[in-house]
Parts: sequence; structure tokens; C-alpha cells
Amino acid sequence: QVQLVESGGGVVQPGMSLRLSCAASAFTFGAYGMHWVRQGPGKGLEWVAYISYNGGYRSYADTVKGRFTISRDQPKKMLYLEINSLRPDDTAVYYCAKDGIGASLSHWGQGALVTVSS
Amino acid sequence: SFELTQPPSVSVSPGQTANITCSGDILSKQSVYWYQQKPGQAPVSLIYKDTERPSGIPERFSGSRSGTTFTLTITGVQAEDEADYYCQSYNSGATYVFGPGTKVTVL
Repeated sequence: QVQLVESGGGVVQPGMSLRLSCAASAFTFGAYGMHWVRQGPGKGLEWVAYISYNGGYRSYADTVKGRFTISRDQPKKMLYLEINSLRPDDTAVYYCAKDGIGASLSHWGQGALVTVSS
Repeated sequence: SFELTQPPSVSVSPGQTANITCSGDILSKQSVYWYQQKPGQAPVSLIYKDTERPSGIPERFSGSRSGTTFTLTITGVQAEDEADYYCQSYNSGATYVFGPGTKVTVL
């Protein structure tokens, strides 16, 4: 059974940096693209970033471009999201998700909560 | 950027049918994907490529298309179907977008 487990969330001050991690298991990690999606408190889903199966292509939502960096470590089966210059409106649950058929996000982790507050 | 539109809410009695629409200009070229999210839980994939159901998803969930409007239909709604439903699509350059979500209330 596909498993995705996020970690690295917490309370951080505005302007600081944070790295989220996502541990993948029970599927061939190196064969799939991966995503980060966030959800602010009481808000809808917002797609944040995508990385191709081999890390050769990355894309970002306009709202985070330049501050967020998605990366992956194939041997460790880990997905990462580096967030710089954190702002209060970055406060959200951050989900990692696995690419599925077509442009679907077939499996999701349980999420990591990031709270940006002084 | 591109946007998807969904109704904010839909109310339905148990056993009845709920229809949730998703529209957007980009949908003339791309497929739609649907997700269910219950409070405090991660989203679950319900429909992919407009009409296909992943394994394990009940048959009462179905997807359809009419032009650039896509519809998620829940036939014979059950109390456990009360949740938020999101449509999602894709644009060139591997950018993705979610609709604003529709809250389904089972009366």
C-alpha cells in the first residue's frame, strides 16, 4: 500500500526558512512524479510544486515561484520542499502527493502543518 | 494562470443524487480530476481523466463532460458522502490547478 509521510512542520517566524520532507514507501519512487499541495486554515487546496520522476523537470505555482524549491533524493525515497522567506500567508497544511494516471494525484500523505507566526 | 469554477455548496437528501459542476476555459483542452476531502483528512482521488474511477471507489461516484463543463455525480447519496469535493486540471508546463471546492451537505 502506497505510503507518504510528511515531516518537518512546526511554528516558524516570518522571514525564516523551513524544509519539509516526505518519506515514500511501497511503490517504485523513482518512476513517478511528485507534488506538494497546501491548504490554508479553512481554505481550499492549492497546488504548489511538481517534480518529474527523475528530478529533471520542476514547476511551481506563480504564488510561490522564487521562494519554494522542490527536490527529491531517489536512493532515500524522499521528497523535499524548501521554503524561504516564510510569510504568514504560508501558514497551511502541506501535503505531498504521488503522480497518478494522466494528471491525477493518486495518493496523498496526511500532511504537515506549518504555522508562520512571530 | 487559469481558473476553475465550482459551486460553493450543494445540499442533498440521503438516497438522492448530487451533481457538482466544474467549469473553466482550460477544460476545452484538458481532462478533469475529482477529489473528496473529509474534515481533518487528506484528499482522496475519486475520478481521473474525466470519467474513470480508481479501484476501491464506489460506483455511485461518476464523472461526465459536456463541452467545458464537467460534472461529478453522486447517485444514491449516503451520509458518509458529506465532504468537500475538488476538481483539478492541468496546463502546459506541468502546472496544476484546483477548483475552489464544493461542500456537500447531506440533509
